[in-house]
Amino acid sequence: DAGITQSPRHKVTETGTPVTLRCHQTENHRYMYWYRQDPGHGLRLIHYSYGVKDTDKGEVSDGYSVSRSKTEDFLLTLESATSSQTSVYFCAIWAVNYGYTFGSGTRLTVV
Amino acid sequence: QQQVKQSPQSLIVQKGGISIINCAYENTAFDYFPWYQQFPGKGPALLIAIRPDVSEKKEGRFTISFNKSAKQFSLHIMDSQPGDSATYFCAASESTGSARQLTFGSGTQLTVLP
Repeated sequence: DAGITQSPRHKVTETGTPVTLRCHQTENHRYMYWYRQDPGHGLRLIHYSYGVKDTDKGEVSDGYSVSRSKTEDFLLTLESATSSQTSVYFCAIWAVNYGYTFGSGTRLTVV
Repeated sequence: QQQVKQSPQSLIVQKGGISIINCAYENTAFDYFPWYQQFPGKGPALLIAIRPDVSEKKEGRFTISFNKSAKQFSLHIMDSQPGDSATYFCAASESTGSARQLTFGSGTQLTVLP
């Protein structure tokens, strides 16, 4: 996975609680992305980052925030989790030589 | 607004047959068209990609056909094998400033029967 680690791999949380997912990369890539995967929708971009403290919104950013204080870490936070945020979340990096590389995903269930 | 439409949603093929998955896009600014393969419990992995200056790209048993005027592209898997059973996603991308964002199709679940 080109040095991409997502944590946790699985999480069950209650509605209304805050949740933070972590993406860690070891190869100093500039561009990092958070996608969510839902049946019938493919993968949809939540937020992305083009450098430390430089982030922007994607297609489905409502209810999510991100932070990138170090090159290697990109955090996705659900401030107050809702059942509609039950999904599989993928982190990805972009590199010119080999395009996108995805992590193994975090399966989040909001009950 | 679905910018990349993928069909079929599911596909069953006999071993040795040809699997064909189709995608259509709307945004003429897209300039990179990758296909991803995903196995259960794993992240999508790049399979093959094409840019709009060529009409076909082949890598082993996998071929992308690209029709710029029709805004369509397709993945052909020749001599399909049970190990090819996976979910396949087409995607399209344009360079937005210095970042590159992928827009995905909805996916095709391929089952290759032994």
